[in-house]
Amino acid sequence: RKEVEQDPGPFNVPEGATVAFNCTYSNSASQSFFWYRQDCRKEPKLLMSVYSSGNEDGRFTAQLNRASQYISLLIRDSKLSDSATYLCAVNDTNAGKSTFGDGTTLTVKP
Amino acid sequence: DTAVSQTPKYLVTQMGNDKSIKCEQNLGHDTMYWYKQDSKKFLKIMFSYNNKELIINETVPNRFSPKSPDKAHLNLHINSLELGDSAVYFCASSFSGGIVNEQFFGPGTRLTVL
Repeated sequence: RKEVEQDPGPFNVPEGATVAFNCTYSNSASQSFFWYRQDCRKEPKLLMSVYSSGNEDGRFTAQLNRASQYISLLIRDSKLSDSATYLCAVNDTNAGKSTFGDGTTLTVKP
Repeated sequence: DTAVSQTPKYLVTQMGNDKSIKCEQNLGHDTMYWYKQDSKKFLKIMFSYNNKELIINETVPNRFSPKSPDKAHLNLHINSLELGDSAVYFCASSFSGGIVNEQFFGPGTRLTVL
């Protein structure tokens, strides 16, 4: 079993749709969680950190469920510019590393 | 101001050659990483250095040798390149203090081995 498993996708949605990605992790010692966005032929860039209480940044909402060991990302009112690959990352501070999911590709169509 | 920079951006070379990729960060971070992203886009950690000390080596062949001359630099030397080494290599950095340790990535080096 992979340490971090992510919805494989791809997700193809129309503009304005709401889409959700999930990511499960196996290391219960994980302490911090992130969503990254990666555009084609570019580097991953931090989209948002995920906090225990859940957090929102505009159209993006991230949730963490420690009991079930999963994180989620909700995108509301999808824009064409949201088309990208979304990677979840789970950080074990004691081990000094982040483990990334394999990414979920989102395509938003007009 | 580029936070994490890598050179070269593209590298095309023959099997059996030796090549190096350089990485520098100006964020004042104390931890640096090398990742490999293959053709299926899976991002896998290779090495991690904290304050110039190797802390993670994820079963990478010993043809790959990282070197960290100081906290701001982490270079990757690859000996006897193989076809399977073709990938995009990303350098990243983070600050190890605290709980939230988001990583900042360089633009990547696209390596093609012929």
